[in-house]
Formats: sequence, C-alpha cells, structure tokens
Amino acid sequence: NAGVTQTPKFRVLKTGQSMTLLCAQDMNHEYMYWYRQDPGMGLRLIHYSVGEGTTAKGEVPDGYNVSRLKKQNFLLGLESAAPSQTSVYFCASSFGPEAAPLHFGNGTRLTVT
Amino acid sequence: SQQGEEDPQALSIQEGENATMNCSYKTSINNLQWYRQNSGRGLVHLILIRSNEREKHSGRLRVTLDTSKKSSSLLITASRAADTASYFCATHAWNAGNMLTFGGGTRLMVKP
Repeated sequence: NAGVTQTPKFRVLKTGQSMTLLCAQDMNHEYMYWYRQDPGMGLRLIHYSVGEGTTAKGEVPDGYNVSRLKKQNFLLGLESAAPSQTSVYFCASSFGPEAAPLHFGNGTRLTVT
Repeated sequence: SQQGEEDPQALSIQEGENATMNCSYKTSINNLQWYRQNSGRGLVHLILIRSNEREKHSGRLRVTLDTSKKSSSLLITASRAADTASYFCATHAWNAGNMLTFGGGTRLMVKP
C-alpha cells in the first residue's frame, strides 16, 4: 500500500522555467492538498481539491496552478518559477471534510536559481 | 498567516523524560490535530481532538485542549530517542472551508 506518492523527489530549476509536480494516492480519498514548507513557517496551503474536477485556492496560491483530472492524482504546476518558490512541497490527502487525518507524501525539494 | 503557534520552538531532553509542547491558536476551531515529522519525511498524523473534547490519549501521547484559552498541549511520556522529530499542531475551522492551518512546529531532540 503506497499511500501518497510524490514525484520527483528533488528538482533544480532556473528562474522562468516551468515544471509539474505529481501527486498520486491509492486510498480513494476525495480530498487532496498541496502545501509548501519553509523554515520557521510551518506548512502553508497552496491549493486543494474536494473531488475530481474541482480545485480551490489556499493561503498562498499565487504563481501556482493545479489540476485534478482523476480522483487519484493532483498536479501542481509552476508556469514561471521564481527563487521565492524554492521550498519543500508536500502533497496530502484525506477521506473526510474535516481535513483529518491528512496523509502526506514525502515531499519534493525544489530549488529555483 | 499561521493559526497555530507552538511553544517552545525547540526542546532537548534525556531519554525517559517527559516532553510537553504547547500550541496556541487565534480563532474558534472545529478540531485540532497534532502531527510528527521526521527529518526529510512527510508529516504523520498523531491525534485529533475535537472542540467539545478536553483530553485524549493514544499510547504515550496525551493531548489536552482548552478552548477558553485557545490552547492545546501535547505530552509525550517516557520519551525515546526515536521520538526525535518536529511536532506540529494544526487547526480546522468550519468557516475556513476545508483548510487545515499549521503552526511553525516544535523541534524535539531526545538524547539517549
């Protein structure tokens, strides 16, 4: 049982490049989330989805886009990467509407130079 | 902005001692959750306490919630070196949609 899988694990981008982070879950969860984690800032919600075909903005959505074409996948896109987007990105999923419990992937460490 | 704030930011104890971490939050909540994060890994859910509950236990973990003070504490008893990790509180409020808001975390080091 893989749980939540994120790819890639590491990535280095140059300013202005684009990339897509992939999150896949095999628990049939309705809800999926993308967070970023920066030192001393805890986790901040970027976007989330309450079901296939739906997305919603979180606390820090600017510079990111998401898509949930299939229930098991949640994609996070950076169209034009900036150094401020250097961070560790975590995907999570949950079964119910109370955002609990969240099941996390092991993260993608992104560096933008 | 962070809803939850953990205190202390860092804690170092000897194996066998108890570790207490505190979390304060600003607005009314539906539930409060605690998560653990080992270095280089994702967060792992530890325990959830609802706004109408005051205390919950899970193994060596004890969580309390005081909604009048908007605070929670996580107690780890008889700590082990394997408990070394960062611990985060997170709050869910119905008026915040489906968002879970995390604090900055407490880094716990348990020395063998």
